[in-house]
Amino acid sequence: SQQGEEDPQALSIQEGENATMNCSYKTSINNLQWYRQNSGRGLVHLILIRSNEREKHSGRLRVTLDTSKKSSSLLITASRAADTASYFCATDAVGAGSYQLTFGKGTKLSVIP
Amino acid sequence: SQTIHQWPATLVQPVGSPLSLECTVEGTSNPNLYWYRQAAGRGLQLLFYSVGIGQISSEVPQNLSASRPQDRQFILSSKKLLLSDSGFYLCAWSVKGRGGYTFGSGTRLTVV
Repeated sequence: SQQGEEDPQALSIQEGENATMNCSYKTSINNLQWYRQNSGRGLVHLILIRSNEREKHSGRLRVTLDTSKKSSSLLITASRAADTASYFCATDAVGAGSYQLTFGKGTKLSVIP
Repeated sequence: SQTIHQWPATLVQPVGSPLSLECTVEGTSNPNLYWYRQAAGRGLQLLFYSVGIGQISSEVPQNLSASRPQDRQFILSSKKLLLSDSGFYLCAWSVKGRGGYTFGSGTRLTVV
């Protein structure tokens, strides 16, 4: 079963607006990661936040993590048409044995110029 | 620099035919290697992962197998493809530890 579930499934915004995507997960984690996928391409790693961190920034990206609610959010500020892509959260679950990530189904973001 | 190569980009194969997808990594040693499958509109399903040469762990019983004949080579195979094997196959690697994955560009497999 999927560990991470993104919300919303699809999001359409105007260029310049902020985009917020959410991820909920079920079990305790070591870290949570966000990835981006352009249509028909591989995934690109955006940001990793560890379980003892609450917020992390990278350029126009801001990620928050609330381990008590088992949720994370990805904020893209001042969106651009080039941000159009699918965004996935992935979790590294505690006790999973060897290192492996479980991915959600993704949020499809469309930024309208 | 570290790169990952995955080929072919697209593949159309008849039902019952064999499959071999190859993935190679450059610029790193002893990586963890992964094969994922992505169905249309779905998330990524982990198929196989490997922590070393000859060490393969399977996550989902299926018609596929994987091998790691060399440290930086990961191969996904099938003896007889099924229609349900169609999908987007992604290879990825990570360093030992708990960092991010680097993905290949993917192979779009259509079984007809």
